Amino acid sequence: EAGVTQFPSHSVIEKGQTVTLRCDPISGHDNLYWYRRVMGKEIKFLLHFVKESKQDESGMPNNRFLAERTGGTYSTLKVQPAELEDSGVYFCASSQELSTDTQYFGPGTRLTVL
Amino acid sequence: AQTVTQSQPEMSVQEAETVTLSCTYDTSESNYYLFWYKQPPSRQMILVIRQEAYKQQNATENRFSVNFQKAAKSFSLKISDSQLGDTAMYFCAFMKPYGGATNKLIFGTGTLLAVQP
Repeated sequence: EAGVTQFPSHSVIEKGQTVTLRCDPISGHDNLYWYRRVMGKEIKFLLHFVKESKQDESGMPNNRFLAERTGGTYSTLKVQPAELEDSGVYFCASSQELSTDTQYFGPGTRLTVL
Repeated sequence: AQTVTQSQPEMSVQEAETVTLSCTYDTSESNYYLFWYKQPPSRQMILVIRQEAYKQQNATENRFSVNFQKAAKSFSLKISDSQLGDTAMYFCAFMKPYGGATNKLIFGTGTLLAVQP
């Protein structure tokens, strides 16, 4: 069974540009999460999808971040326009059940904004 | 709000020895889950072990075990017979089960463990 995949693995962009990150969850997992780790700090929750619906987006930093999950399969996270403080590693995770199941993580996308 | 604290940014252990990573958390909840994840260098983050707060028995997975002290809000990870492949960043995480809110994970800042040959 394929795990959670993320694309790209690395992205280097200039301040003001747009970047789109993609996450493909494990097949059949209804729940999809985005997290971010800024250098040296804790991994922080960004948002949670249940199928195609946003269950919780309380961790989204601001309106420059837009997440979508059309059709309840893969998800994209777009940053527009990117700022220096957006640099970090963006993780995606998926799980089957809601309250008790393990969240399986992807390898992350390292985003560098210059 | 829940918080998770890992007070050891870096640790080192000799191969075949035992090491304990510390984690404390703060919550007013009585039912919750605790996790240890590991992220090897340039590799995917994987679950090491999980503990349900309502279970008094400490979770164990092969060479990995936890010391869960609910009253003290402590959740340490013990790695026995350390192997070179255990070199990784270890994250402690807390989760409140779904109950009208998302079951997001709340992470500590991580402990970088280096196993020396």
